[in-house]
Order: sequence, then structure tokens, then C-alpha cells
Amino acid sequence: QQQVKQSPQSLIVQKGGISIINCAYENTAFDYFPWYQQFPGKGPALLIAIRPDVSEKKEGRFTISFNKSAKQFSLHIMDSQPGDSATYFCAASRGGTSYGKLTFGQGTILTVHP
Amino acid sequence: GAVVSQHPSWVICKSGTSVKIECRSLDFQATTMFWYRQFPKQSLMLMATSNEGSKATYEQGVEKDKFLINHASLTLSTLTVTSAHPEDSSFYICSAIRLAGAHEQYFGPGTRLTVT
Repeated sequence: QQQVKQSPQSLIVQKGGISIINCAYENTAFDYFPWYQQFPGKGPALLIAIRPDVSEKKEGRFTISFNKSAKQFSLHIMDSQPGDSATYFCAASRGGTSYGKLTFGQGTILTVHP
Repeated sequence: GAVVSQHPSWVICKSGTSVKIECRSLDFQATTMFWYRQFPKQSLMLMATSNEGSKATYEQGVEKDKFLINHASLTLSTLTVTSAHPEDSSFYICSAIRLAGAHEQYFGPGTRLTVT
């Protein structure tokens, strides 16, 4: 019940296209859903995050869509660029004594071709 | 943005020795820091939660006597891998939650540990 399932495992997109990565969760106690970008040999960098009281959040080219009833959320990268090529992780955490403890998805390797 | 640093960025040690990794929040205070481990081409797995002024809490399956955590101040947490073995070779990443603001979690650059 603690798992977060992420798909696809890898994704190839042309420059200017839209990249879409999906995540699903089971634990309804999760109340914070961030997305991280990681380059090889580096730590993850927070891209954007959402809480379940909001169905969509947009920051620049990055948008999170959240479907509470389906227990799914997704990351959309608009106008994808070669510099966006990285591994993307969705994550989830809940409050209380587990506040901040992130459960990560398996990761998606995004390749954006010029 | 918030900055979290780690030192060293990489370390090679012999089997049976101990290694200390530092995690610092450079421009904010953090009562809580986390330690994650990431094996090659895999996801991040939470190892333990480090709380300033109190004992760390460990996730199931993580040996607390092997991975010693000390959260000495609001900006520093250390992870000591004791009696390291080759299977401890991994990428260790810390993170910290800002006291103020929206409580986003920021990650350090990671430490690559290789045990020979």
C-alpha cells in the first residue's frame, strides 16, 4: 500500500513535443505529491508538487494533473527540450509521524531528441 | 532556491572501515533531514529520518547499528557507515525540509560510496 507505480519506464520525445509521465498510488493517506528531476550522478531536484485539494498545478512548462478518485497523477512537460533529458521520479508522502517520508516511483528516463 | 550540500561527493574505502558523510542545509534551518540510498539505475529508498536533538528513526530493514546518524544542529546531519562491506556501495543522498515556507523537501547532490 506504500507503493507508487510509475510509467513509462522510458520515454523518447521529439524537441517541442509533450512528455507525459504517469503515477498511481494506493495509500489514500498520501497528501503531498512532488515530482523530481535527476541528472546522472546528481541528487534529485524538486520540479513541482501538488496536494490533493487541487486538480491541476502549472509552473512554466511543467504541469501536474491530479485525479483523486482514480488515485493517479501525472507530469506534463510542454515544449520538451533536449536539456530536459533526465530521469524523472514521482513521489508521495503523508502527514503525521510520516511527514516528509517520500515514497518514490520507479523513475522514467526521458530522452528528448533535437 | 534552498541549497543542501553533501561532503564528500565520492569516497572509496576498504572493507571493514567506517565512512562519515555530512549533509548541510546552507541557507535554511531544518529540524528534519532524511537519508536515502540509490543503487544504480534504481529509485531512491528512504533509509532513516534524522531529527535535530533526538534519535534517528530507521526504516524497516535498515540496520541502525551499521548506519549511525547524528543530527547535531539545525543545519547538519551526518551518516556514518560502520564496518563497510562491498554491498554497502551505493549513492547516498540526504534531504532536508525547510522550517519556514511551504515545507518543500530539498535534496543534496549525493555521495558515491565504493567499498573495495
